[in-house]
Amino acid sequence: EAQVTQNPRYLITVTGKKLTVTCSQNMNHEYMSWYRQDPGLGLRQIYYSMNVEVTDKGDVPEGYKVSRKEKRNFPLILESPSPNQTSLYFCASSSPRRGKNIQYFGAGTRLSVL
Amino acid sequence: ELKVEQNPLFLSMQEGKNYTIYCNYSTTSDRLYWYRQDPGKSLESLFVLLSNGAVKQEGRLMASLDTKARLSTLHITAAVHDLSATYFCAVAHSFNFGNEKLTFGTGTRLTIIP
Repeated sequence: EAQVTQNPRYLITVTGKKLTVTCSQNMNHEYMSWYRQDPGLGLRQIYYSMNVEVTDKGDVPEGYKVSRKEKRNFPLILESPSPNQTSLYFCASSSPRRGKNIQYFGAGTRLSVL
Repeated sequence: ELKVEQNPLFLSMQEGKNYTIYCNYSTTSDRLYWYRQDPGKSLESLFVLLSNGAVKQEGRLMASLDTKARLSTLHITAAVHDLSATYFCAVAHSFNFGNEKLTFGTGTRLTIIP
């Protein structure tokens, strides 16, 4: 089954404690991306990647890092989380073909930073 | 800075009626995406529109793109309860199809009333 898997699904942490949210896809997709969703602000792209070792900043990259060492994985790293990073995070992957680019989204990670 | 506005933000409509959601954006782009999100769920890709005049249809949903007017529409025909969801548009502003910086609208929460 085609899947984008995020872990953990829920996380409560404290300010300054480094954390990683993992994202893995089993569809051999080249493109992966991270988004955050906040009430009243909609979705905002954090980072995106076109393949191994190639990443680009989205609209809100501050306070986040990503890595793409393997094609299937695209972890999101918060080196020193702050309360304003409390949000719902989604990872997505895609592989454009013949004029279509269907993005597959993970189930989401709800993060609370106290 | 690219701005994307959706109208309306909230929409209640009766089953069987037609309606249109509008997505306006502020700078030149010829690629636009539409997504659906059910309450408490992740996102689902609906359409990608790749050029001026592009039209895509799936069931009761039809999306179109006018790049000159910087406007996309999502038209709902003969609404049914299953279409109740939040709909987002997202504008791509990078050159490579698939490897894209995306800016989202704030979403339109659609409620279909029996």
